[in-house]
Amino acid sequence: NAGVMQNPRHLVRRRGQEARLRCSPMKGHSHVYWYRQLPEEGLKFMVYLQKENIIDESGMPKERFSAEFPKEGPSILRIQQVVRGDSAAYFCASSSLTSGSYNEQFFGPGTRLTVL
Amino acid sequence: KQEVTQIPAALSVPEGENLVLNCSFTDSAIYNLQWFRQDPGKGLTSLLLIQSSQREQTSGRLNASLDKSSGRSTLYIAASQPGDSATYLCAVIDGNEKLTFGTGTRLTIIP
Repeated sequence: NAGVMQNPRHLVRRRGQEARLRCSPMKGHSHVYWYRQLPEEGLKFMVYLQKENIIDESGMPKERFSAEFPKEGPSILRIQQVVRGDSAAYFCASSSLTSGSYNEQFFGPGTRLTVL
Repeated sequence: KQEVTQIPAALSVPEGENLVLNCSFTDSAIYNLQWFRQDPGKGLTSLLLIQSSQREQTSGRLNASLDKSSGRSTLYIAASQPGDSATYLCAVIDGNEKLTFGTGTRLTIIP
């Protein structure tokens, strides 16, 4: 059973370009979470999605950032018109269907975005 | 707003010693607390998850305790090894299903 997969592992973009980060959850997991780790800072929650639904996007910047988790295929975190401050490690985590209690989140290896 | 603090930020100990990492959180209304390990340039590996109804969890040389009322957790590592060198993160989860992380303790085990 493969773990959470993220690609690409490293992504370099110039200012103003778009960045697309992909996350495939563990098999059988229907919940996906995105976290961002800025240099020398802790991980911060960005968004929580279930299939075709955004459950909580309270950690997403108001502009340029969007996320989706379609019925088929991976979850996508999209950053439009990237700026140098977007350079960070972006981690995806997944968990299984909850039944009133928290299910452990399993993390992918992350995508390291560098904006030149 | 939940805040998670980890002290110390960095710790170096000789190989073979036992050590304790500390984590404190401001809002005691948590569901669970999770300890992770992060190696440089790598992702997160879950070490231990303590449910809010539990007081501790053990896995091998690791033991994590939780005191919800005081907002504290400790991670005890016995007989430390060079391979234990990494950044250790604690994270709490509330009813909103999202993890709130501390800034981590960077641990170095000196051979």
